Amino acid sequence: AQTVTQSQPEMSVQEAETVTLSCTYDTSESDYYLFWYKQPPSRQMILVIRQEAYKQQNATENRFSVNFQKAAKSFSLKISDSQLGDAAMYFCAYRSWSSNSGYALNFGKGTSLLVTP
Amino acid sequence: EPEVTQTPSHQVTQMGQEVILRCVPISNHLYFYWYRQILGQKVEFLVSFYNNEISEKSEIFDDQFSVERPDGSNFTLKIRSTKLEDSAMYFCASIQGARETQYFGPGTRLLVL
Repeated sequence: AQTVTQSQPEMSVQEAETVTLSCTYDTSESDYYLFWYKQPPSRQMILVIRQEAYKQQNATENRFSVNFQKAAKSFSLKISDSQLGDAAMYFCAYRSWSSNSGYALNFGKGTSLLVTP
Repeated sequence: EPEVTQTPSHQVTQMGQEVILRCVPISNHLYFYWYRQILGQKVEFLVSFYNNEISEKSEIFDDQFSVERPDGSNFTLKIRSTKLEDSAMYFCASIQGARETQYFGPGTRLLVL
C-alpha cells in the first residue's frame, strides 16, 4: 500500500521569509499524481499545487513551488514570501490507481505552519 | 467558479441516530468521493462513486454507511446508527475525469453525543 509521510508536525516561519515543508511517499507505481492541500482553521481543503509524476519540471503556482525528486520519492513544498494568511495545516497527498481506492487520495498526517509577524 | 457544496455545515446527533450528509458536486463532474477527518488526524478515504454505483470503498466504510445519488445532482452519505467515534469532519469531493484534480466541499462537522 502507498504511504505518505510528513515528518514535520509543526513548522514556523517569519512573514516574508521562505519555508519548505517535506513529504515523502512510498510506491511501486510509475504513473501517479502528488498534491499539496492547505487546510485553514475553517477546515476547508484547498488545493495548493499539483504535480504529475511523468513531468520532470517542478510545478509552480505563484509563491508556491515544489521540489519533486522522483527517484528519492520526495515532494517538498516551498512557500516564498510567507504571508500571515499562509498559516494553516498543509497536507501532502498521493494518488494513483489502486484496487482498493481507485483514484482516491492518500494523505499524509499534515504539517501545521505558523507564520509570525 | 463552480464549487462543491455540502449541507449541513454542522450536525449534532445522539448516538444511535441516523444522519444524512448532503453534497452537491460540480455539475459536469463524474466521480464522487467521501472522506473523513477525525479531529487532529489525517484525512481518510471512505468511498468513491461512479456511474451511479460504488466503485471503491475503504475498510472504514462498513455496513452502517451508505451512499446514493438520488436525483442526479445530490450525493449523500448516510450513517445508519451513529457511534461516538463517527464524530469527525466529512468531506465530499468530485472530479470530472479520473485523472483530474479533486475539488473538495467545505465539509460537514458531525458531532455524536
